Amino acid sequence: DAGVTQSPTHLIKTRGQHVTLRCSPISGHKSVSWYQQVLGQGPQFIFQYYEKEERGRGNFPDRFSARQFPNYSSELNVNALLLGDSALYLCASSGDRGKYEQYFGPGTRLTVT
Amino acid sequence: GQNIDQPTEMTATEGAIVQINCTYQTSGFNGLFWYQQHAGEAPTFLSYNVLDGLEEKGRFSSFLSRSKGYSYLLLKELQMKDSASYLCAVGAFNDYKLSFGAGTTVTVRA
Repeated sequence: DAGVTQSPTHLIKTRGQHVTLRCSPISGHKSVSWYQQVLGQGPQFIFQYYEKEERGRGNFPDRFSARQFPNYSSELNVNALLLGDSALYLCASSGDRGKYEQYFGPGTRLTVT
Repeated sequence: GQNIDQPTEMTATEGAIVQINCTYQTSGFNGLFWYQQHAGEAPTFLSYNVLDGLEEKGRFSSFLSRSKGYSYLLLKELQMKDSASYLCAVGAFNDYKLSFGAGTTVTVRA
């Protein structure tokens, strides 16, 4: 079975631009979480969606938004990109709502110049 | 909120044992996770402790003391491929996120 998939793998954008990152969870998983990982740090929670509803939001500005589709795939959108948004963006999927074991995708490396 | 501390770096010799400590302060605890992350790759799940005690999985073991807000990951019979960053993460009740520490970089030397 396929694991969590993310696209694109790498992305280079200019300050002020907009970016959309995509994630497909493990088959059968209904929950998707997004994390930002800056070099040398642990992942920081951005959003979690379960059954297309937002279940949690981290301490990120409103420039960050996300949604989950009926097939449980998800998009993370970031507007008005800043240099500080350069990071590895990780998507994680989990099964039951009450279980926290999360499986990560390979990530999207975003570079903002 | 969560406050999670772990050492920045550790070095050990191939075949040896290394113990990575993690301390946490949390407003509601529902599990302690350990992930392994090789450079440039995504974190991979290693272990999950929700009750006090030791969980063993092959060469890796994880221990939890909820009263002390303390966990450790024990890596035995170290191999070169174990060189990676090890992330401690905490899950909380009614809070679906994982809160991660900054990670401990383990370097295994021949």
